[in-house]
Amino acid sequence: QKEVEQNSGPLSVPEGAIASLNCTYSDRVSQSFFWYRQYSGKSPELIMSIYSNGDKEDGRFTAQLNKASQYVSLLIRDSQPSDSATYLCAVTLSQTNAGNMLTFGGGTRLMVKP
Amino acid sequence: GAVVSQHPSRVICKSGTSVKIECRSLDFQATTMFWYRQFPKQSLMLMATSNEGSKATYEQGVEKDKFLINHASLTLSTLTVTSAHPEDSSFYICSASRGGVYEQYFGPGTRLTVT
Repeated sequence: QKEVEQNSGPLSVPEGAIASLNCTYSDRVSQSFFWYRQYSGKSPELIMSIYSNGDKEDGRFTAQLNKASQYVSLLIRDSQPSDSATYLCAVTLSQTNAGNMLTFGGGTRLMVKP
Repeated sequence: GAVVSQHPSRVICKSGTSVKIECRSLDFQATTMFWYRQFPKQSLMLMATSNEGSKATYEQGVEKDKFLINHASLTLSTLTVTSAHPEDSSFYICSASRGGVYEQYFGPGTRLTVT
């Protein structure tokens, strides 16, 4: 079993819809969770971080964490064509070590159609 | 804040030569820097982790004598690809993390082509 799993997609949604991206992780010790967006040919860009159970909202983005079920999701409201990219879920094991290694999922490719 | 730069953005070199890639944190001190490699349509692969003033920790399968990493200061890490071969052609991306937080901030990447 991979440590961090994502559906590779592509996930296709119409413009204006809600895009829901999911990620599961295998290690119950995981403490820190991140969503990165990567446009084709570019490097990843951090868009959300979440550390505790529940929802965290930032603009059109909402990250949801459920540690009991070991999943983290990203909702994108009012999806725009410019949101079309690959979304990477990343997990660290511990909050005690600064700069801890990130374990990445394979990414989900999102396509927002006008 | 949290800006990371890489230089060069693109490099073409001949087989057998060495290439140095620089990674700088511009507005923060990076206690840890990471080097990744990404082949087309594949996910990021961590190559090594480096802490300022310490030897880098390499991931399994990454040759430390081929990919030399130096993290001499809190704002600069370098990756040198020695005796490059065409199979080393890839997108090399660094990231940096500052003490006390866990987010990694990525540089823009360096596209290496070995002919």
